[in-house]
Amino acid sequence: AQKVTQAQTEISVVEKEDVTLDCVYETRDTTYYLFWYKQPPSGELVFLIRRNSFDEQNEISGRYSWNFQKSTSSFNFTITASQVVDSAVYFCALSEALDSSYKLIFGSGTRLLVRP
Amino acid sequence: DVKVTQSSRYLVKRTGEKVFLECVQDMDHENMFWYRQDPGLGLRLIYFSYDVKMKEKGDIPEGYSVSREKKERFSLILESASTNQTSMYLCASSQRRDSYSNQPQHFGDGTRLSIL
Repeated sequence: AQKVTQAQTEISVVEKEDVTLDCVYETRDTTYYLFWYKQPPSGELVFLIRRNSFDEQNEISGRYSWNFQKSTSSFNFTITASQVVDSAVYFCALSEALDSSYKLIFGSGTRLLVRP
Repeated sequence: DVKVTQSSRYLVKRTGEKVFLECVQDMDHENMFWYRQDPGLGLRLIYFSYDVKMKEKGDIPEGYSVSREKKERFSLILESASTNQTSMYLCASSQRRDSYSNQPQHFGDGTRLSIL
C-alpha cells in the first residue's frame, strides 16, 4: 500500500536556524515520484520539487535542499538559514508510475513556524 | 506561469443544498483533480479527469460528482450538502504524463466551504 508519513506535526524555530522536515514513504512500485509542496497561510499549494525514484542525487536550490535515500525510503527537506517567510505548511507527496490516476498521495503535512 | 482559478475562496451553504465548486486552468492541461483538505489528514483525492467528459473516482467520491464539459473547466458538485463536507477544497491540474515522469500538479487557492 502507498503511504506518506510526515511524523513532525509542527516545528518552531528562530529565524536563521536550519530546519529539516522529514518524509518517509511506502510504495511497492519500482518507479515513482516524490514531491514537496508549500502551503503558505494564503492557502494555495506551491510546487517546490519533483524527484523520480531513479535519481538519488541530492538537490539544492538556494536555501532549500532535499535528501533522497531509497535505502530508508525517505525524502527529507532542509531549509538553511530559515526566514519568517518560510512559515507555512509543507507537504510531501508520492505518485506512482503504474497508477493511471496520476494521483498524489499526500502526507499529513508539517507546519513550520519561523519566529523573528 | 500556470494559473488555476477557483471561483470562490469562501462559501457558506446549508444542509441539503446542491453546491457547485468551479475550477478553471489556463495551461491547456489534460488532467484535472479535486481534493479535500482536512486537519491531520492531508489532501485526499475526490475525483479526477484526464480528458473532456472523462471522470474517475478518487479515494473519497461518496457524496460528490464532477463535470468536465470543456478542457479548461472542472466542476465539483455536492449533490446534497452535509455538515461532514465542511472542508477546504483544492483543485489542481497537470500535463499528461510524458515518457519520463509524472508531471507536477498545480493548485488553485482553495475554497473553504462551510455547511451549516
